[in-house]
Amino acid sequence: DAGVTQSPTHLIKTRGQQVTLRCSPKSGHDTVSWYQQALGQGPQFIFQYYEEEERQRGNFPDRFSGHQFPNYSSELNVNALLLGDSALYLCASSYDVSPQHFGDGTRLSIL
Amino acid sequence: AQSVTQPDIHITVSEGASLELRCNYSYGATPYLFWYVQSPGQGLQLLLKYFSGDTLVQGIKGFEAEFKRSQSSFNLRKPSVHWSDAAEYFCAVRSNFGNEKLTFGTGTRLTIIP
Repeated sequence: DAGVTQSPTHLIKTRGQQVTLRCSPKSGHDTVSWYQQALGQGPQFIFQYYEEEERQRGNFPDRFSGHQFPNYSSELNVNALLLGDSALYLCASSYDVSPQHFGDGTRLSIL
Repeated sequence: AQSVTQPDIHITVSEGASLELRCNYSYGATPYLFWYVQSPGQGLQLLLKYFSGDTLVQGIKGFEAEFKRSQSSFNLRKPSVHWSDAAEYFCAVRSNFGNEKLTFGTGTRLTIIP
């Protein structure tokens, strides 16, 4: 039973570019949450998707957007990249009130 | 707004010694509480959770945590640490309604010395 899978593992972009990160949830999970983890910090909540709708959003600008597909997989898009967007981006999936299960993340570096 | 405080940024213990990592939370009602562990370059693995009932919860890898409502704390303990326990530990809180966002502390880095 595959857990949460994220792609790509690492990504290098330059300022101003756009990026798309992908997440496949654990089998049986229908809710996907995205977190940003800066170096030396705890993860910060970006947003959560359920039934293909954004259900909850953290304190992130509109440059951060997402999507959930009918098979529950999800994408995180970031436009107009800034140096401060360099971080580990974590995807977590869950079902109902179950604990969130995390993937290994995508390491995004902005030059 | 909910928040989590992990007062210890870095803890060093000897292999075989006992361990306690501190976590204090702020939330208006009884929250759901979690401990996650993160090894370098990897995602977060759930160690244990508290939803309700017995305030002493057991987790994987020999870890346990105790919920103390009067102190707004959820400290993580292990009686005897192993070198493989070296990692970053995060305490997190979530509302008890639905599957809402997790709010994490800043983490405690655990170093094990032989």
